[in-house]
Amino acid sequence: GQQVMQIPQYQHVQEGEDFTTYCNSSTTLSNIQWYKQRPGGHPVFLIQLVKSGEVKKQKRLTFQFGEAKKNSSLHITATQTTDVGTYFCAGPAGGTSYGKLTFGQGTILTVHP
Amino acid sequence: EAQVTQNPRYLITVTGKKLTVTCSQNMNHEYMSWYRQDPGLGLRQIYYSMNVEVTDKGDVPEGYKVSRKEKRNFPLILESPSPNQTSLYFCASSRLGVGNTIYFGEGSWLTVV
Repeated sequence: GQQVMQIPQYQHVQEGEDFTTYCNSSTTLSNIQWYKQRPGGHPVFLIQLVKSGEVKKQKRLTFQFGEAKKNSSLHITATQTTDVGTYFCAGPAGGTSYGKLTFGQGTILTVHP
Repeated sequence: EAQVTQNPRYLITVTGKKLTVTCSQNMNHEYMSWYRQDPGLGLRQIYYSMNVEVTDKGDVPEGYKVSRKEKRNFPLILESPSPNQTSLYFCASSRLGVGNTIYFGEGSWLTVV
């Protein structure tokens, strides 16, 4: 079945440093979604990317969808302590645009003040 | 206020005692889904539903049942819980279609002893 791999599993940064997490799918995705989960909280939807090569920005967060639609990245510029949490990517299975969703294992980000 | 409500939030139960975790959303969403979250494994989809009376298996459906008799409700049923179903469970909902925000419930901590 479809696999979605995320690296790194953990990332420790000093406040102000940049952070990037990478997501790779074993199959081509129709879209990819990113979520953030604070410690003790529930996943919060951040964004969905659909087009090949798409780049979207949300303040200090930059999301990219690869040209082959099999990989994606989330980059945070100048991290803050409020960025702490686990970041997940997720993609629908089998080339569908919806329905069965596979998540990456997540990247746990800690930010030291 | 947009809400996905899960109950119970915390439950300790014994092996074999049937239980139901309820999920209700107030946004008239077509799509609803259940996930379990385990350390190191990320979020894994159990079942999903694209609309009333339409349900399908996710990646880990064994030991679980669902029903979608009404649009707003999507209960998760454990007919005969076992200790390996001890986990954190999340319900989620969204409108169908690319780009729509996916809302997660607060989560239900389930321990089977």
